[in-house]
Amino acid sequence: AQTVTQSQPEMSVQEAETVTLSCTYDTSESDYYLFWYKQPPSRQMILVIRQEAYKQQNATENRFSVNFQKAAKSFSLKISDSQLGDAAMYFCAYCPANTGNQFYFGTGTSLTVIP
Amino acid sequence: KAGVTQTPRYLIKTRGQQVTLSCSPISGHRSVSWYQQTPGQGLQFLFEYFSETQRNKGNFPGRFSGRQFSNSRSEMNVSTLELGDSALYLCASSLVAGGYYGYTFGSGTRLTVV
Repeated sequence: AQTVTQSQPEMSVQEAETVTLSCTYDTSESDYYLFWYKQPPSRQMILVIRQEAYKQQNATENRFSVNFQKAAKSFSLKISDSQLGDAAMYFCAYCPANTGNQFYFGTGTSLTVIP
Repeated sequence: KAGVTQTPRYLIKTRGQQVTLSCSPISGHRSVSWYQQTPGQGLQFLFEYFSETQRNKGNFPGRFSGRQFSNSRSEMNVSTLELGDSALYLCASSLVAGGYYGYTFGSGTRLTVV
């Protein structure tokens, strides 16, 4: 079974500081894709960052970066210079490459940014 | 360009009724997927359509069905509504089949069954 675990239901960070959200996943597949999505109160899921499992280099998008450890099946998200607008629910998602037709989501981490 | 549009935004239905939700993908996107989001079960995959064909279906009862039209717009139907069907239903679109490049999501339809 393919499962995604986010062990931190809630996290908080001071504005301008750095925070890391954790995600682990369980799969027997060797090729897959990993994502972090942000869901603000507006409810729309917004793609934050994407990682291809066959690429060893960690993905980076401006203030957002990941630490992808394939052997450990770990995919953490680091947010640098946190801003008030970063406050949201963050979901980690896994998508197998062989079928590629559904995402498996974690339960989410609610991030609060303290001014 | 316009994003993924879901209508209606809110819906209240009575147990036993049926409901149809609509999703218009980003122009040019041919893949549409549906997810159910609840506090207890989180985000769960319902089904994906590509070029009017259902590619895959999640573990939901047959009361949940969908379709996709030639213009890629998709509808999801739930018959004989149950209280447990109360959820946020999210639609997501992609240029190609599968989620390899990430989906673009709509803002969802909040369905409340009373």
